[in-house]
Amino acid sequence: GAGVSQTPSNKVTEKGKYVELRCDPISGHTALYWYRQSLGQGPEFLIYFQGTGAADDSGLPNDRFFAVRPEGSVSTLKIQRTERGDSAVYLCASSLKAGGDGYTFGSGTRLTVV
Amino acid sequence: GQQLNQSPQSMFIQEGEDVSMNCTSSSIFNTWLWYKQDPGEGPVLLIALYKAGELTSNGRLTAQFGITRKDSFLNISASIPSDVGIYFCAGHSNSGYALNFGKGTSLLVTP
Repeated sequence: GAGVSQTPSNKVTEKGKYVELRCDPISGHTALYWYRQSLGQGPEFLIYFQGTGAADDSGLPNDRFFAVRPEGSVSTLKIQRTERGDSAVYLCASSLKAGGDGYTFGSGTRLTVV
Repeated sequence: GQQLNQSPQSMFIQEGEDVSMNCTSSSIFNTWLWYKQDPGEGPVLLIALYKAGELTSNGRLTAQFGITRKDSFLNISASIPSDVGIYFCAGHSNSGYALNFGKGTSLLVTP
């Protein structure tokens, strides 16, 4: 597509449930990034994929968070046993190659854990 | 990640005024980027800076990469109502592809 597509745009879930957030990057972009943005804060890095592999997952806060990109295109961020503190906007970005300037961000998924 | 201090936190100005905001880092960055974020949207890149001392313009926007490589500023001239939004600085160090973002400057412009 023309831009980075993220679904759903909003997700409300109960504490303890499992959620999946999807990111469809710009066609042909090999690099894909997930960020998390809490209210009143800037985005915080979670994980970076180059192709199918997670090249840097140092930003994942704990082992409840996991992301995959099995075919080097669509990526899914998975959160197990959600906690209220996981509530945030989860942003996905893609770029043609690795590096910070060619990022295009999606509109994000607003996750609310109640 | 590295701490980025962005100021001011918010600005409330009249249309036509010039705006200046800045960002400082506790460590050296190789790239400085400025983004704008509208409500319900992801950040959109405004200006990218790659070299210490570099001064770059994009329309009414001008940004500079500080000589120490630990700071950057963004100026907006002759502000208009559509400049309203949150402006983020972001930096890129040697240690990977992650971007470190500031907390943002919220800009409100009254007609």
